[in-house]
Amino acid sequence: GESVGLHLPTLSVQEGDNSIINCAYSNSASDYFIWYKQESGKGPQFIIDIRSNMDKRQGQRVTVLLNKTVKHLSLQIAATQPGDSAVYFCAENRGIILTGGGNKLTFGTGTQLKVEL
Amino acid sequence: KAGVTQTPRYLIKTRGQQVTLSCSPISGHRSVSWYQQTPGQGLQFLFEYFSETQRNKGNFPGRFSGRQFSNSRSEMNVSTLELGDSALYLCASSLRGDGQETQYFGPGTRLLVL
Repeated sequence: GESVGLHLPTLSVQEGDNSIINCAYSNSASDYFIWYKQESGKGPQFIIDIRSNMDKRQGQRVTVLLNKTVKHLSLQIAATQPGDSAVYFCAENRGIILTGGGNKLTFGTGTQLKVEL
Repeated sequence: KAGVTQTPRYLIKTRGQQVTLSCSPISGHRSVSWYQQTPGQGLQFLFEYFSETQRNKGNFPGRFSGRQFSNSRSEMNVSTLELGDSALYLCASSLRGDGQETQYFGPGTRLLVL
C-alpha cells in the first residue's frame, strides 16, 4: 500500500530563545541515551549523550535531562541560532540489554526545529 | 581524523536487482552498524558488526545482509530489490562497541528503486 510519512512534530522558536525538545522512551531497562541532529541531506550528528545513572548532563549550549520515573528525555538548547534548524532525534541503546553488549539504537520519530529570525 | 565514509552516495536500481553498499568507519573503530531511514518508518536498525561478526540484528528480511572485513570496513547487500527498499542507508561506527559510547554516522547512501 501507499506509505505515509511520519508526522514530525515541529517546534518553532525565535532566534535567541531557548528550545526544549522532548522524547519518551519505552524500555525502562535502557541505560544509554543519545541526542542527534540531522540536517537535510546529511547523516545524524551527535549532540550529547547521557547514561541512566545520571539525571542531567550539560554541553556547549545544550543540556539533556533524563527522568527515569516517567521514561522521559529532553534536550534544551540555549540561545537558539538559525544553524540549529534541523530534525532532532533521541535514541536509546538496547544492545546491552538484549545481547549483553553492542550497539542497537532505537530512534524516536524526531522533532523538526525551526528557528525564526 | 576522517569521519565515517559511505560509497556510493547515490544509487538508482530497478526492482529485482541487488545492491552492495560500502562503509569505512572512523580509523580505529571496531563496531559498525547499519540503519535504514525512510519517511514512513523513520530510522530503523538493520545490523551491527564487531570483529567481523554480526552481533545484533534488526527486524529485516533475509534479503538484507552484511559483512565486516578485518580492517573493520563493512558492506551491506540487498538482494531482489523492492520498491519499498528505497531509502537512505546510514552507517555508524563506534570505538569499542560496548553500547555505552557515541556512534558516529556517515552521510548515507541514498538508494532509489524503480
